[in-house]
Amino acid sequence: AQSVTQLGSHVSVSEGALVLLRCNYSSSVPPYLFWYVQYPNQGLQLLLKYTSAATLVKGINGFEAEFKKSETSFHLTKPSAHMSDAAEYFCAVSGPGGANSKLTFGKGITLSVRP
Amino acid sequence: DSGVTQTPKHLITATGQRVTLRCSPRSGDLSVYWYQQSLDQGLQFLIQYYNGEERAKGNILERFSAQQFPDLHSELNLSSLELGDSALYFCASSVEDRGVYEQFFGPGTRLTVL
Repeated sequence: AQSVTQLGSHVSVSEGALVLLRCNYSSSVPPYLFWYVQYPNQGLQLLLKYTSAATLVKGINGFEAEFKKSETSFHLTKPSAHMSDAAEYFCAVSGPGGANSKLTFGKGITLSVRP
Repeated sequence: DSGVTQTPKHLITATGQRVTLRCSPRSGDLSVYWYQQSLDQGLQFLIQYYNGEERAKGNILERFSAQQFPDLHSELNLSSLELGDSALYFCASSVEDRGVYEQFFGPGTRLTVL
């Protein structure tokens, strides 16, 4: 079984400040981890994914995440927030494929960016 | 634009009714996933098809069913609708499901049951 915990439902930062969105996972098989972003009234867009090739993963729009097996974490960071980053962010975990390729999502975190 | 299309965008219906949601995957993608997004349950996996065959089932109610057709489009059928079925229903597709392939999400169908 797999699960994802995203602590807090809302994070607010000032424009230009560091963004840190936390994600912890639980998985009985080697996990594949993802961060998706959802803008209002839109579908989900992949920011980045961890596939065991490298623990530090760089994604789109300046985001990156680090896989830490010892901490079962996959936190998302961005050095400098931009107003356009305001959206809902979902961390997700899947298994190695086939019938285990479905995504299990966390509850999501709403990111607000203050001018 | 992810390349995944879903119709209709919005659907308003009454309790007890039946609706069909349609999904066209990206060209070449063999795997289709359905997810439900609601305020109380969050994003939940419903069902997956791969090249016409059911591959995995999640928290899908018995009142719900799906299929994937030879042209790879998929339909999600919801029957005996209840107020609690009101949600955003997403379809996602991937080229393969062995290994880690990105799932591309459609814009969703917003279902409102009155």
